[in-house]
Amino acid sequence: AQSVTQLGSHVSVSEGALVLLRCNYSSSVPPYLFWYVQYPNQGLQLLLKYTSAATLVKGINGFEAEFKKSETSFHLTKPSAHMSDAAEYFCAVRRSGGSNYKLTFGKGTLLTVNP
Amino acid sequence: SAVISQKPSRDICQRGTSLTIQCQVDSQVTMMFWYRQQPGQSLTLIATANQGSEATYESGFVIDKFPISRPNLTFSTLTVSNMSPEDSSIYLCSVANGTVGEKLFFGSGTQLSVL
Repeated sequence: AQSVTQLGSHVSVSEGALVLLRCNYSSSVPPYLFWYVQYPNQGLQLLLKYTSAATLVKGINGFEAEFKKSETSFHLTKPSAHMSDAAEYFCAVRRSGGSNYKLTFGKGTLLTVNP
Repeated sequence: SAVISQKPSRDICQRGTSLTIQCQVDSQVTMMFWYRQQPGQSLTLIATANQGSEATYESGFVIDKFPISRPNLTFSTLTVSNMSPEDSSIYLCSVANGTVGEKLFFGSGTQLSVL
């Protein structure tokens, strides 16, 4: 079984500051890991994904995440926050390989960016 | 990427009635899923919509309450039956693409309020 824990339901940063959103996972098999973003009144958009290639994954809008097996983590970072980054962010995990594409989501982290 | 159109975008329904949500994809996809996002909560998988056969439901979800159709590789419907206020949620259609289904895309969701 897989599970995801997102530390901090709400993160607030100043514009231009580092963004760090934390995600820890639990999986009995090698996982695929994802970060999704949900802007107000919109559906989810894939930011980036880890599928057992490079451990440092670069996504859209300047975000990146590093898969650390020893720490069972997949934290999302962005060097400099922009006002447009304000949204809810979800970390998700699924089994690698096979045909089971079920995603297990974390509870989400709401990012607020202050001017 | 896959473009997903979901209808209706929102609805307000009376207790005891049913609502059918439609999901149309602009290309043929292998896997289609239906998720629920309850207020302030993360996403929970309801079922996998299988083309030409009965949907596969997750624990806690049953066909009588959430009947699903998938007549072809680009279209699916989810019906929320005999609604109660506890069914008030956002319902999201999702599709999986890519060589191992690692690319998951979401529709913009249907915001359902049950009075």
